Amino acid sequence: GENVEQHPSTLSVQEGDSAVIKCTYSDSASNYFPWYKQELGKGPQLIIDIRSNVGEKKDQRIAVTLNKTAKHFSLHITETQPEDSAVYFCAASTNSGGYQKVTFGTGTKLQVIP
Amino acid sequence: DVKVTQSSRYLVKRTGEKVFLECVQDMDHENMFWYRQDPGLGLRLIYFSYDVKMKEKGDIPEGYSVSREKKERFSLILESASTNQTSMYLCASSLGGGGYTFGSGTRLTVV
Repeated sequence: GENVEQHPSTLSVQEGDSAVIKCTYSDSASNYFPWYKQELGKGPQLIIDIRSNVGEKKDQRIAVTLNKTAKHFSLHITETQPEDSAVYFCAASTNSGGYQKVTFGTGTKLQVIP
Repeated sequence: DVKVTQSSRYLVKRTGEKVFLECVQDMDHENMFWYRQDPGLGLRLIYFSYDVKMKEKGDIPEGYSVSREKKERFSLILESASTNQTSMYLCASSLGGGGYTFGSGTRLTVV
């Protein structure tokens, strides 16, 4: 089955700096890669996603890149703010038996220091 | 605003009790999921459902069952709660192959 590895597990950055979180996946058939942000006491929230026919997608201060050949994708947050502090999860989604099977990474705890 | 609502934020149950965790979504999504979240292990899929009265085992179904009698409601059942089922439980729903909408979670403690 699919295996998703996520690094780093924790990340501290100064406010205003950039943060990068990286994920690798094992199943070349994976075709959809969402990113989720989980704030304390809340469920994960979808913040950006990318499909396998696209190499990069940007939404204001966040962007995601996908390298299908190397089977890795990354989340980039620029001009970080304290409210970006949260746990971020990557995921890879594969068609399996007629439905989408999603495998999550183990999460990155991002701390933005004011 | 679209919503996935989990009936309880915190639950404390005794070992051996039968526990019901309820989840309701108001988006008319066909797909619903139950995950448990543990530190260092990320999100692990317990059960999912792609239609009413349909259910499929996820990666860690042992000790759990589910019920989906109506499209909007997906219930997770712990047949006989054990201390190793102490965890955060997250319900999610989705439409087709898109991203998930998660509930706020239920933190279950089994004593």
